Amino acid sequence: NAGVTQTPKFQVLKTGQSMTLQCAQDMNHNSMYWYRQDPGMGLRLIYYSASEGTTDKGEVPNGYNVSRLNKREFSLRLESAAPSQTSVYFCAGRGGENSPLHFGNGTRLTVT
Amino acid sequence: GEDVEQSLFLSVREGDSSVINCTYTDSSSTYLYWYKQEPGAGLQLLTYIFSNMDMKQDQRLTVLLNKKDKHLSLRIADTQTGDSAIYFCAESEGSARQLTFGSGTQLTVLP
Repeated sequence: NAGVTQTPKFQVLKTGQSMTLQCAQDMNHNSMYWYRQDPGMGLRLIYYSASEGTTDKGEVPNGYNVSRLNKREFSLRLESAAPSQTSVYFCAGRGGENSPLHFGNGTRLTVT
Repeated sequence: GEDVEQSLFLSVREGDSSVINCTYTDSSSTYLYWYKQEPGAGLQLLTYIFSNMDMKQDQRLTVLLNKKDKHLSLRIADTQTGDSAIYFCAESEGSARQLTFGSGTQLTVLP
């Protein structure tokens, strides 16, 4: 049982390049989330998808787009990467209200 | 909006107890969670408590909730070097679709 799987684990981009971070879960979660983690700032929500076919902005959505491709997959896209997007990105899934989040192992992104 | 606060650092000696504290502002929080993050890894759920409970114990972990003061604590008994990690407190309100996280407490266990 893989849980929540993120790819890639590491990525280096030049300013202005684009890329898509992939996330897939096999836990039958209805909701999926993208967070970024920066030193001293904890986790900040970028976007989430409460159910298949819906997406909503979180606290820091600027510079990102998401796609909930199906129930299993929720991708995060950077159209034009900026150094301020250097961070560790975590995807998470959640079964229902008040259920805990289950996290992937993260994608470490560096933008030069 | 909701806010969750934690102190950034805590150091303890191996074998001592660790107490990590968290305060939150949302009085309608229904569940409160503790997560552990080891270096280079994702967040792992340690335990959680429903807001109508005062205490929950799970092996070496004890969670205390003071709902009046909106204060949550995680006590780790007999702290080991393997407990060195960042610990995050998080809360959710019944109808909310997301969790709000604190900034994390870096626990260092000294030999």
